[in-house]
Amino acid sequence: NAGVTQTPKFQVLKTGQSMTLQCAQDMNHNSMYWYRQDPGMGLRLIYYSASEGTTDKGEVPNGYNVSRLNKREFSLRLESAAPSQTSVYFCASTGGNQPQHFGDGTRLSIL
Amino acid sequence: EDKVVQSPLSLVVHEGDTVTLNCSYEVTNFRSLLWYKQEKKAPTFLFMLTSSGIEKKSGRLSSILDKKELFSILNITATQTGDSAIYLCAVDRTSGTYKYIFGTGTRLKVLA
Repeated sequence: NAGVTQTPKFQVLKTGQSMTLQCAQDMNHNSMYWYRQDPGMGLRLIYYSASEGTTDKGEVPNGYNVSRLNKREFSLRLESAAPSQTSVYFCASTGGNQPQHFGDGTRLSIL
Repeated sequence: EDKVVQSPLSLVVHEGDTVTLNCSYEVTNFRSLLWYKQEKKAPTFLFMLTSSGIEKKSGRLSSILDKKELFSILNITATQTGDSAIYLCAVDRTSGTYKYIFGTGTRLKVLA
């Protein structure tokens, strides 16, 4: 009964380092999403994948890349981390006309 | 530009009080409005509203949608400290991609 699993839960990076945030869902959902949450800003969509094999930019895609590895997994990559990317990152998925299910988030700090 | 606005931004009440949280929206091709509760980690789903005037209830929580005036309210009666959380409103559109627009959230704190 895992739902949406994100790894890691916490990460500290130095400016310029790269890293990949992992997300996997076991609900056989077609669509997956990456959000960032900053104080006072709500959840903002970074990238999404409407179905396996497709990815599209959301509201704030700059500085990020994504890969829909298969139907279960959707990863978010920071190629050269910047302090402005310090945030909490959430992955979500949906099977269509259902509410999105969220992972527990990754708290990322960039020094 | 599509947008979702929640009010108030934050609220402090005492146990037993009743609270009303507001969400207004301006979006094209509205499909549904959703409420989520976020404590320390993942937002958890509360309600999905698609039709005007039909109240949805779950225990002490209830919500209703007004598609003419473009808003929704979330009511919590007899509040408890466990209701302390951020309440998020989101709107889905008929785009086929199920992308939501989220409001900034209302931070509710319930004091014992």
